[in-house]
Amino acid sequence: QVQLQESGPGLVKPSETLSLTCTVSDDSISSYYWSWIRQPPGKELEWIGYVYYSGSTNYNPSLKSRVTMSVDTSKNQFSLKLSSVTAADTAVYYCARGRNCFQVWSQGTLVTVSS
Amino acid sequence: DIQMTQSPSSLSASVGDRVTITCQASQDISKYLNWYQQKPGKAPKILISDASNLETGVPSRFSGSGSGTDFTLTISSLQTEDIAAYYCQQYGNLPRTFGQGTKVEIK
Repeated sequence: QVQLQESGPGLVKPSETLSLTCTVSDDSISSYYWSWIRQPPGKELEWIGYVYYSGSTNYNPSLKSRVTMSVDTSKNQFSLKLSSVTAADTAVYYCARGRNCFQVWSQGTLVTVSS
Repeated sequence: DIQMTQSPSSLSASVGDRVTITCQASQDISKYLNWYQQKPGKAPKILISDASNLETGVPSRFSGSGSGTDFTLTISSLQTEDIAAYYCQQYGNLPRTFGQGTKVEIK
């Protein structure tokens, strides 16, 4: 059964870049689109964007100027970079399979932006 | 962006009750609507896709309906394990957007 696991720092300083990687197990990253979604504490879900194994991407316009997503097919991983973070970027970050319907999710990782 | 408005924001019902949650889109999204269940401290789980398609393994007490701008998630007989937040999500347009969520509690 496919599993997704994020990795990356849980604490990032303001103005720095948040970097997360999602490792896909028991599935080929080349078969699907892959998304990042976040949820600030106590708030609703926000779609950040998706990436395809070819490198094709689509980002939420609200974050587009700060977001970069990429895929490493050799490691079956995809990644998120969010630059110039502020406290408003503090959230649980999820990686998920799909671009229309998110059928498989990671457990989520809390990233706190604080000095 | 397409705004998704859920109601109510929270509800309290008894075990065995029929529960209905509504989701309204700010513009026509045909049937491009999914429903998720999120239990405390856990990732969301897909319940229903394409407005009314029950995902594999989801209990049959869950059902979805609607098209265009108005959608409904129904739990026909509320169980204690259904305590969670429920979110709708549209994919009729980019960016994908979610409703603000509905918290379901047991009375």
